[in-house]
Amino acid sequence: GQQLNQSPQSMFIQEGEDVSMNCTSSSIFNTWLWYKQDPGEGPVLLIALYKAGELTSNGRLTAQFGITRKDSFLNISASIPSDVGIYFCAGLFQGAQKLVFGQGTRLTINP
Amino acid sequence: DAGITQSPRHKVTETGTPVTLRCHQTENHRYMYWYRQDPGHGLRLIHYSYGVKDTDKGEVSDGYSVSRSKTEDFLLTLESATSSQTSVYFCAISESRGGDTGELFFGEGSRLTVL
Repeated sequence: GQQLNQSPQSMFIQEGEDVSMNCTSSSIFNTWLWYKQDPGEGPVLLIALYKAGELTSNGRLTAQFGITRKDSFLNISASIPSDVGIYFCAGLFQGAQKLVFGQGTRLTINP
Repeated sequence: DAGITQSPRHKVTETGTPVTLRCHQTENHRYMYWYRQDPGHGLRLIHYSYGVKDTDKGEVSDGYSVSRSKTEDFLLTLESATSSQTSVYFCAISESRGGDTGELFFGEGSRLTVL
């Protein structure tokens, strides 16, 4: 099946630091999405990207749809304790009914 | 928050026993999905439904079956549970065809342990 490579797998940062993570694939996607999973809960959609080159923000979060359509990036500025969790990228092919998820990036913040 | 309820939230069972997980939604969304989450694998699709009595397989469907007799309920059944099916199972729904937008709403998960 299609594979998404998400990195890093885990991050340990200090409160207030900026965070960057990315997702790459050997395949072209028409849609990229970023989800966040808080401990003990289901994932929640953060940002959806539908056009190559698109840059979208949601508060302190900014995500970009790579020009090649094979990658996407998520940045979090000035991290706070509630940013802790697992971040998943997900990709969608045109006409497909199923998302492909990355393996997740686990974010831990030291106060 | 989307009205999605999964039950049971936690279950411990023995190898070879049947297990059914239930997903109930109050949103009247057409599309429903079952995923499993395992360390290092992210979320993998087991089965999905695009309407009452309309279901299809995902990438890891072996050993699982599903049924959808009503819009609001989507059942996942393990006919004979194995230890490899120990996982956290998530139900998700989408108002449009999930393949069109990728925007899913997830339940809180059901943790299944098979001894």
